[in-house]
Amino acid sequence: GENVEQHPSTLSVQEGDSAVIKCTYSDSASNYFPWYKQELGKGPQLIIDIRSNVGEKKDQRIAVTLNKTAKHFSLHITETQPEDSAVYFCAASNILKAAGNKLTFGGGTRVLVKP
Amino acid sequence: DAGVIQSPRHEVTEMGQEVTLRCKLISGHNSLFWYRQTMMRGLELLIYFNNNVPIDDSGMPEDRFSAKMPNASFSTLKIQPSEPRDSAVYFCASSLGQGLNTGELFFGEGSRLTVL
Repeated sequence: GENVEQHPSTLSVQEGDSAVIKCTYSDSASNYFPWYKQELGKGPQLIIDIRSNVGEKKDQRIAVTLNKTAKHFSLHITETQPEDSAVYFCAASNILKAAGNKLTFGGGTRVLVKP
Repeated sequence: DAGVIQSPRHEVTEMGQEVTLRCKLISGHNSLFWYRQTMMRGLELLIYFNNNVPIDDSGMPEDRFSAKMPNASFSTLKIQPSEPRDSAVYFCASSLGQGLNTGELFFGEGSRLTVL
């Protein structure tokens, strides 16, 4: 099955700086790569996703890049703000393989933005 | 819509007791997922349903765990008998769509289970 590795496990940045989280996946058939943000006491919430026919996607201060050859993808947060402090999860799935969207999650990155 | 609703939010029980966690899907969604979150193992998929049918239960730890979806909007996850190592936050998530129209997963706020 799919295995997703995520680094780093913790990340501390100064407000205004950029944060980068990297993930690798093992199954070359995976074609859908979402990123979820989890705030304290809440469930994860989708912030951005990318599909394998696209190399990069941007939404305001958040961008994701995908390298299918190397089987890795990254989340970039620019101009970080205190409200970006949370745990971020990458995930991967093959949306064509089975009914429903069976996501395999990375281990998570705890991001702390210092004012 | 109120989103995915889970109950109870917190449960403390003693080893050997039966635990039932409940989940109400977002109206109209057709897929339901149960995840378990621990510090050691992160987010693990336990089981998921599509159109009320269990599709993959390979993540269910052992026979003590069972999940049902008696109708299109409601699911239960039962642990009997419970053990201390079952202590975790259990999340339910729902989504709409399949294949190329795959939709995002909407998570509930979780049920924190502590087994003493």
